[in-house]
Amino acid sequence: EAQVTQNPRYLITVTGKKLTVTCSQNMNHEYMSWYRQDPGLGLRQIYYSMNVEVTDKGDVPEGYKVSRKEKRNFPLILESPSPNQTSLYFCASSGDSSTDTQYFGPGTRLTVL
Amino acid sequence: GESVGLHLPTLSVQEGDNSIINCAYSNSASDYFIWYKQESGKGPQFIIDIRSNMDKRQGQRVTVLLNKTVKHLSLQIAATQPGDSAVYFCAEKGDTGNQFYFGTGTSLTVIP
Repeated sequence: EAQVTQNPRYLITVTGKKLTVTCSQNMNHEYMSWYRQDPGLGLRQIYYSMNVEVTDKGDVPEGYKVSRKEKRNFPLILESPSPNQTSLYFCASSGDSSTDTQYFGPGTRLTVL
Repeated sequence: GESVGLHLPTLSVQEGDNSIINCAYSNSASDYFIWYKQESGKGPQFIIDIRSNMDKRQGQRVTVLLNKTVKHLSLQIAATQPGDSAVYFCAEKGDTGNQFYFGTGTSLTVIP
């Protein structure tokens, strides 16, 4: 089954404790992206990647890092999480161009205390 | 930065009626627009898209209209069904790079 998977689905952590949210897709997609979703603000793009070893900042990259060492994986790293990073995070992927349909993962709900 | 907004945060319709969800965007150079549906507890799901060289596109029970003059996008759902109850987001691809900007969403409730 073609899908985007994220882990963990739920995470509660404390300020300053480094964490990684994994994202993996099995569709051989080149474009991958991370979004955060907050009430009243919709989805905002954090980082995106056009291909392996190519990453770019989205609208709200501060406090986040990403890497794209393999085509299928696009982990989101929070080196020193803060409470304002409490949010619902979605990973997405699409085919060869960014105008192909984006498939979203199920989301990761992160709470930073 | 980009600004994509929706005209109404909530919309209630009777089952069988047509629904219209509106969206305004700010960047006249944006060249690609998408509508997504998000059900509770799930990620957004692609519904339909349209490029800036078109003003209308139809799918199964859905139609997207693009008015570039007033920078307005709408999603029409025909014969709305209870399964259409969800939050609907419009999104645009900016003209610089491959970044996407989403609206804040409209919550559609279908009344049986």
